Amino acid sequence: ETGVTQSPTHLIKTRGQQVTLRCSSQSGHNTVSWYQQALGQGPQFIFQYYREEENGRGNFPPRFSGLQFPNYSSELNVNALELDDSALYLCASRAQGTGNTIYFGEGSWLTVV
Amino acid sequence: GENVEQHPSTLSVQEGDSAVIKCTYSDSASNYFPWYKQELGKGPQLIIDIRSNVGEKKDQRIAVTLNKTAKHFSLHITETQPEDSAVYFCAASKAGTGGTSYGKLTFGQGTILTVHP
Repeated sequence: ETGVTQSPTHLIKTRGQQVTLRCSSQSGHNTVSWYQQALGQGPQFIFQYYREEENGRGNFPPRFSGLQFPNYSSELNVNALELDDSALYLCASRAQGTGNTIYFGEGSWLTVV
Repeated sequence: GENVEQHPSTLSVQEGDSAVIKCTYSDSASNYFPWYKQELGKGPQLIIDIRSNVGEKKDQRIAVTLNKTAKHFSLHITETQPEDSAVYFCAASKAGTGGTSYGKLTFGQGTILTVHP
């Protein structure tokens, strides 16, 4: 049990629409990051938030954005969905003082049609 | 940026045999190397990790070795069981100090491990 909960587990969207994915971490896990995992590949880093501010970003366009809230929850928002956005989206959290141990949630499967 | 290569892409063993998965990384500043197991339809599960100040770490049937000079690290699973069948990912990152330590993980491409009864 990682203590990282994601919702929804599955969803289908139409190209051009917007989607919001949600994540809830354990108390004290003040760093949250989001990853995109395409079928058959390893997860790719999207961005990281620490104390409600983005402090690291991978090679993803600005239509991928996020929020982190004081209650250890966070959101990933994707605008203008494209077919290639179809993937498993993973939320990961880390507690300060644990070195770099990062725990993942079960993910949200997004299909864009 | 960091690049992680993982081999083999698929590995098939008989129950009770050992399995070894190898990864290389490119950024000499990377100092944290976790291994994740991912079962079908689930998120990655941390199974073991190693930091650059340690050469080897063991946890029951699982061990990880790190060679900083050669920039490679390996996962060793002994006495494999059918429930070990899954996709295994290695990853690398740079961990700093304090809350702003940069925790971006760069993953390998994954190894599909199949353990035959």
